[in-house]
Amino acid sequence: DQQVKQNSPSLSVQEGRISILNCDYTNSMFDYFLWYKKYPAEGPTFLISISSIKDKNEDGRFTVFLNKSAKHLSLHIVPSQPGDSAVYFCAASDSNSGYALNFGKGTSLLVTP
Amino acid sequence: DAGVTQSPTHLIKTRGQQVTLRCSPKSGHDTVSWYQQALGQGPQFIFQYYEEEERQRGNFPDRFSGHQFPNYSSELNVNALLLGDSALYLCASSLILSRAETQYFGPGTRLLVL
Repeated sequence: DQQVKQNSPSLSVQEGRISILNCDYTNSMFDYFLWYKKYPAEGPTFLISISSIKDKNEDGRFTVFLNKSAKHLSLHIVPSQPGDSAVYFCAASDSNSGYALNFGKGTSLLVTP
Repeated sequence: DAGVTQSPTHLIKTRGQQVTLRCSPKSGHDTVSWYQQALGQGPQFIFQYYEEEERQRGNFPDRFSGHQFPNYSSELNVNALLLGDSALYLCASSLILSRAETQYFGPGTRLLVL
């Protein structure tokens, strides 16, 4: 069963605007969340993470928000740039029961000039 | 600073054969995890190795086995290959002592089983 869900397979945004990528999870034991970016023919590149003790983490143009009660997190990219065009994966782990990352299916972001 | 490296980059095998994939972790990392990414899916956890032992295992059959060497590098072995084993195999490394286990991925090995 899919414990991490990214319900939007694709998203198109104009350069300079905000990109918002969403992720939902079902396992309330998840306590660490990560976003990865993946270009074709490359492995996923770590982007940003957030611990369950926080509700926001910011790194430059990238901000991740966590809403534990809704079991929802989102990645905001502001401003979006054409080089941000890639597949974005949301991942989660439960540090008390193991070390595996549980991934969503990904959202393909296209930033148009 | 060398990142995670994997070899080979591509591989073609036939059903029933065996395959070995290799991974060298990022410098300073001591833990290696393996993931399988099928087309259109997110990566799925196979297993993780630390101190040359399997630390956790995902929902994969015993045909999938691994090994970690004293220099922290790792191998993934798959026996009796099936068509469904065709996928991108990703290796990720991390540092066991880090509070949050951010895993860093290699470029992957694309396996095609005919």
